[in-house]
Amino acid sequence: KQEVTQIPAALSVPEGENLVLNCSFTDSAIYNLQWFRQDPGKGLTSLLLIQSSQREQTSGRLNASLDKSSGRSTLYIAASQPGDSATYLCAVDSNYQLIWGAGTKLIIKP
Amino acid sequence: DAGVIQSPRHEVTEMGQEVTLRCKPISGHNSLFWYRQTMMRGLELLIYFNNNVPIDDSGMPEDRFSAKMPNASFSTLKIQPSEPRDSAVYFCASSFGGRVTGELFFGEGSRLTVL
Repeated sequence: KQEVTQIPAALSVPEGENLVLNCSFTDSAIYNLQWFRQDPGKGLTSLLLIQSSQREQTSGRLNASLDKSSGRSTLYIAASQPGDSATYLCAVDSNYQLIWGAGTKLIIKP
Repeated sequence: DAGVIQSPRHEVTEMGQEVTLRCKPISGHNSLFWYRQTMMRGLELLIYFNNNVPIDDSGMPEDRFSAKMPNASFSTLKIQPSEPRDSAVYFCASSFGGRVTGELFFGEGSRLTVL
């Protein structure tokens, strides 16, 4: 059974730092992996989708990588800003089901 | 496109009342998902439609919950009768895809409080 883990559950860093969020999954047989952000009281916003055949995807200051063999994905945020403060969730499409991590709550201190 | 539209945004009701949540997916999307989010349990999939047909309703808690998708542009989630433990934020999401999920777009959610 696929399990998705995001560690740490919370992270606080000063503005301007580059940072990495982690997403681990137990079964490497995935179709794709998506990263989302959720602001308080809001819905989830899709950030990046990586197909199983891809190694990484980039959007602006965000870069997501995928290593299926090790069961890991990372979301790299460059030059963090207070507006990046949110909860970041990853979800893997495994056996035609989306399996969700519990999320990492990120706080960027001005 | 206006994105996924959900209504109402907030609903406060008393135990035993019927609750109907509504969703308009993004035009052209053929997959629709209903999720429930709570602090304790996180994000839970309730039901998934593809081409207006319910594909997976294994997440629907019990018979008090029902969902319909009469056409490609509208879906409802009904709770009857409602209970305090149903209090949560209910999200609707849509995507374009078959069995493999495409990029998922969420609505702003409907926050339900059952007293």
